[in-house]
Amino acid sequence: KAGVTQTPRYLIKTRGQQVTLSCSPISGHRSVSWYQQTPGQGLQFLFEYFSETQRNKGNFPGRFSGRQFSNSRSEMNVSTLELGDSALYLCASSSQGRLTGELFFGEGSRLTVL
Amino acid sequence: AQTVTQSQPEMSVQEAETVTLSCTYDTSESNYYLFWYKQPPSRQMILVIRQEAYKQQNATENRFSVNFQKAAKSFSLKISDSQLGDTAMYFCAFGYGGATNKLIFGTGTLLAVQP
Repeated sequence: KAGVTQTPRYLIKTRGQQVTLSCSPISGHRSVSWYQQTPGQGLQFLFEYFSETQRNKGNFPGRFSGRQFSNSRSEMNVSTLELGDSALYLCASSSQGRLTGELFFGEGSRLTVL
Repeated sequence: AQTVTQSQPEMSVQEAETVTLSCTYDTSESNYYLFWYKQPPSRQMILVIRQEAYKQQNATENRFSVNFQKAAKSFSLKISDSQLGDTAMYFCAFGYGGATNKLIFGTGTLLAVQP
């Protein structure tokens, strides 16, 4: 069974550009969550989707957005990139709608903003 | 708001020895979960162990066990017989008991197992 797949793995953008990151969860998983990981702030929750509906959103500006498709694949978008958006973006999936099951993480997409 | 605190940024242990990583949390919730996740260098994060708050018995998974002190809001991880492959960043995380998979993570403890 394939794990959580995140693409692209690495990308470099310049300030003001926008970026779209993709996450394919484990087959059958309907819950997808996104986290931003930086050395200074650690792991911070961005948003969570379950069956195409956003259930939770973290404390991030509106430049950060996401969506989930009917096949459970999810994308997150960051518009008007800032230097501080440089981070490892992690996606996690679960078969359950609540924390009775394990969260499975992808390897992340490392974004560098110049 | 829920918070998770890991006060040990880095720790080191000799192979085959035992090490304990500390974690405290703050919440007013009565139904919640606590987790330890491991993130090896340049590899994906994996679950080490999970504890349901309503269970008094401490969770164990092979060489990994927790000391869950609910009143003190403490959740430490003990690794016995440390192995080189245990070298990783360890994150303590809090999860709500409702219909959500949202986790709140601590800042992590970088554990180095020395040969």
